[in-house]
Amino acid sequence: KQEVTQIPAALSVPEGENLVLNCSFTDSAIYNLQWFRQDPGKGLTSLLLIQSSQREQTSGRLNASLDKSSGRSTLYIAASQPGDSATYLCAVLTGANSKLTFGKGITLSVRP
Amino acid sequence: GAGVSQSPSNKVTEKGKDVELRCDPISGHTALYWYRQSLGQGLEFLIYFQGNSAPDKSGLPSDRFSAERTGGSVSTLTIQRTQQEDSAVYLCASSLQSGGVYTDTQYFGPGTRLTVL
Repeated sequence: KQEVTQIPAALSVPEGENLVLNCSFTDSAIYNLQWFRQDPGKGLTSLLLIQSSQREQTSGRLNASLDKSSGRSTLYIAASQPGDSATYLCAVLTGANSKLTFGKGITLSVRP
Repeated sequence: GAGVSQSPSNKVTEKGKDVELRCDPISGHTALYWYRQSLGQGLEFLIYFQGNSAPDKSGLPSDRFSAERTGGSVSTLTIQRTQQEDSAVYLCASSLQSGGVYTDTQYFGPGTRLTVL
């Protein structure tokens, strides 16, 4: 059974800091890995999707890497801003049923 | 273009009542998914539709839960005889799933917050 872990559960940083959010998964037989953002009371917004054959994806100040063999991904946020405050969820797609397995998320607070 | 929409946004019901939650996927998306987000439980997969068929119903928590999709578009998730533990945010997502290759982003709706009193 696939399990996705995100540690720590919460993180508080000052504005401007570069930061790394970690995600680990137990079964390396994945199709892809996605990072999502969730604002309080809102749905999920997809940030980056990395295919199993890829090593990283970049979008603006965000860079996500994937090391499938070791079951790890990182989301790098450059020059963090208060608007980046949200919960960041990592999810992996496994199996023929397109099931996404989610971590419990990291709640990020960026202090002005 | 329009994203995934869900209705109602909030639903309060009494224990034992039936509820129906609706999802309108992005136009042209063949795959549709239901997830549940409970406090302390994270997001859990419920069911997946490819077109109108549901090849995997293993995530449905009990036989009180059912879902259908008609016309390859709108889906409804029905919970019969609701219990307090059914209280959660129910999220719907859709993806293009072109050619059966599981590489497409899943786009999520805003969710329906269900409260069972």
